[in-house]
Amino acid sequence: KQEVTQIPAALSVPEGENLVLNCSFTDSAIYNLQWFRQDPGKGLTSLLLIQSSQREQTSGRLNASLDKSSGRSTLYIAASQPGDSATYLCAVNLSNYQLIWGAGTKLIIKP
Amino acid sequence: TAGITQAPTSQILAAGRSMTLRCTQDMRHNAMYWYRQDLGLGLRLIHYSNTAGTTGKGEVPDGYSVSRANTDDFPLTLASAVPSQTSVYFCASSDSRGFEQFFGPGTRLTVL
Repeated sequence: KQEVTQIPAALSVPEGENLVLNCSFTDSAIYNLQWFRQDPGKGLTSLLLIQSSQREQTSGRLNASLDKSSGRSTLYIAASQPGDSATYLCAVNLSNYQLIWGAGTKLIIKP
Repeated sequence: TAGITQAPTSQILAAGRSMTLRCTQDMRHNAMYWYRQDLGLGLRLIHYSNTAGTTGKGEVPDGYSVSRANTDDFPLTLASAVPSQTSVYFCASSDSRGFEQFFGPGTRLTVL
């Protein structure tokens, strides 16, 4: 059974630092992996989608990597800002339609 | 672009009552999904639909039903609500290219 783990559960860093969020999964037979952001009381915003054949995706200050063989993905945030404070979720896609979710990392960027 | 809309935003419902949560997307996506999000349990798939006219069960389908009469709408019905169905419900959709999922703003449901 596919399991997705995100470590740490919470992270607090000063503004301006570069940081890495981790996501691991137990079964490498994934279709793709998606990173989301969720603000308190809000819905989920898709940040990056990495297909199983890709190694990384970049969007602005965000870079997501995927290593299927080791069952790991990282989300790198450069030059963090207070507006980056949110919960970050990763989800692996087992097939066309089913996502398995991690529990998320709650990120706080201190001004 | 509206994307995905959900209604109502929040609702308090007496146990035993029925309710339909509405979800509409304007992106012409083939697939749509209903999730519930509970503290400590993360997001769990309730039902999904690959295309109009078809539906499937997710991880936690009991107590819920869905229909997909057309591409844009995917309502979720609770026939007889119970307190354990208190949760935040999210609707999502994806197209057939890349399967990236996009989410609505959610409905916060409290069953008393």
